[in-house]
Amino acid sequence: NAGVTQTPKFQVLKTGQSMTLQCAQDMNHNSMYWYRQDPGMGLRLIYYSASEGTTDKGEVPNGYNVSRLNKREFSLRLESAAPSQTSVYFCAGQGTSTEAFFGQGTRLTVV
Amino acid sequence: GEDVEQSLFLSVREGDSSVINCTYTDSSSTYLYWYKQEPGAGLQLLTYIFSNMDMKQDQRLTVLLNKKDKHLSLRIADTQTGDSAIYFCAERSSMDSSYKLIFGSGTRLLVRP
Repeated sequence: NAGVTQTPKFQVLKTGQSMTLQCAQDMNHNSMYWYRQDPGMGLRLIYYSASEGTTDKGEVPNGYNVSRLNKREFSLRLESAAPSQTSVYFCAGQGTSTEAFFGQGTRLTVV
Repeated sequence: GEDVEQSLFLSVREGDSSVINCTYTDSSSTYLYWYKQEPGAGLQLLTYIFSNMDMKQDQRLTVLLNKKDKHLSLRIADTQTGDSAIYFCAERSSMDSSYKLIFGSGTRLLVRP
């Protein structure tokens, strides 16, 4: 039982490159989320998925796309990376309980 | 709109109590949370409080909620060096058929020996 697993843990991209951050959960959560964490700004919601097959924008969706492939997996795609997207990205899952479970994070640097 | 605010930094001596404060704006929030983040790690839920409560105690942790002032605090008794971390306050805000957590900017707690 791994909880919420994110890959990769670290990534360096050149400006303009694309990549997909993967997230999988084995907790049967309906809701999944992608956040970014920047110094002094807490966690900001990029996109969320209330259930399989649905996705919606959060506070800072520009420059990102997501895909809820199935109940377990929720991926975040950067089509053309920019230095402003240098951040730590967290995926989270939440079921009917009050607690949201977070992955360990992906540290992304765009040069 | 929703907003959660915290002070950025707190320094205490080992053995003292720590109090981390938070204010929020969404009066319809049903749950308020405290998460802990250690260096290089994800967020770990410490405790939460339901909005119809005004206090919750869990071992060394005491959460106080003043719903009228939309003020939440986390008190850590007998603070240890292992408590050094960033502490995030969060409120749960409903959206469509799901919820989202709105986070504060985090308070970095430094415990001095």
